[in-house]
Amino acid sequence: DGGITQSPKYLFRKEGQNVTLSCEQNLNHDAMYWYRQDPGQGLRLIYYSQIVNDFQKGDIAEGYSVSREKKESFPLTVTSAQKNPTAFYLCASSIDGGPYEQYFGPGTRLTVT
Amino acid sequence: GENVEQHPSTLSVQEGDSAVIKCTYSDSASNYFPWYKQELGKRPQLIIDIRSNVGEKKDQRIAVTLNKTAKHFSLHITETQPEDSAVYFCAASAGGGADGLTFGKGTHLIIQP
Repeated sequence: DGGITQSPKYLFRKEGQNVTLSCEQNLNHDAMYWYRQDPGQGLRLIYYSQIVNDFQKGDIAEGYSVSREKKESFPLTVTSAQKNPTAFYLCASSIDGGPYEQYFGPGTRLTVT
Repeated sequence: GENVEQHPSTLSVQEGDSAVIKCTYSDSASNYFPWYKQELGKRPQLIIDIRSNVGEKKDQRIAVTLNKTAKHFSLHITETQPEDSAVYFCAASAGGGADGLTFGKGTHLIIQP
């Protein structure tokens, strides 16, 4: 399962609570990404980071925040400002400037009620 | 930003026949086009990719073609097998994927025995 992990696999939260999803990789990749997947939809980019201490907004960043304090870690916080947070969240990493393949983690299924 | 359209949303073929999935993109600056396979509840996995300086790429039963002028690319699977049943996503990105990928909405491929 190759080097990128997400925890937990399932997460349940009450509306109005912030929640942080973990993403760790030991592939020595520079770039890391967060995507959101809804049923019957493709993946949509939330945030990405090409280097430690730097990150950029993707297409749907509103209501989310990230940090990149270590090369191996890229946690995503889903805030109470996110209107529809229930979804499958996928983290990915790639060698920046390399062969470009993005390797995905196993995902976290977040349910907010 | 980039927009990727994918067709069909569902494709059912007889085992042993060929399957073709088509995608179009909007940003002429896009230069990297991967295809991912996702089984139910699992992470997406790269099956083949192509860069804009190449018109076709083949890997055993899988091939991808790219028409930069028309801004479309296609996935071809020959001699389909039951294990090919999954959801397939196309994606596009400028910058070789370092800025994140824009995905199509996916094609559910069903292989009929």
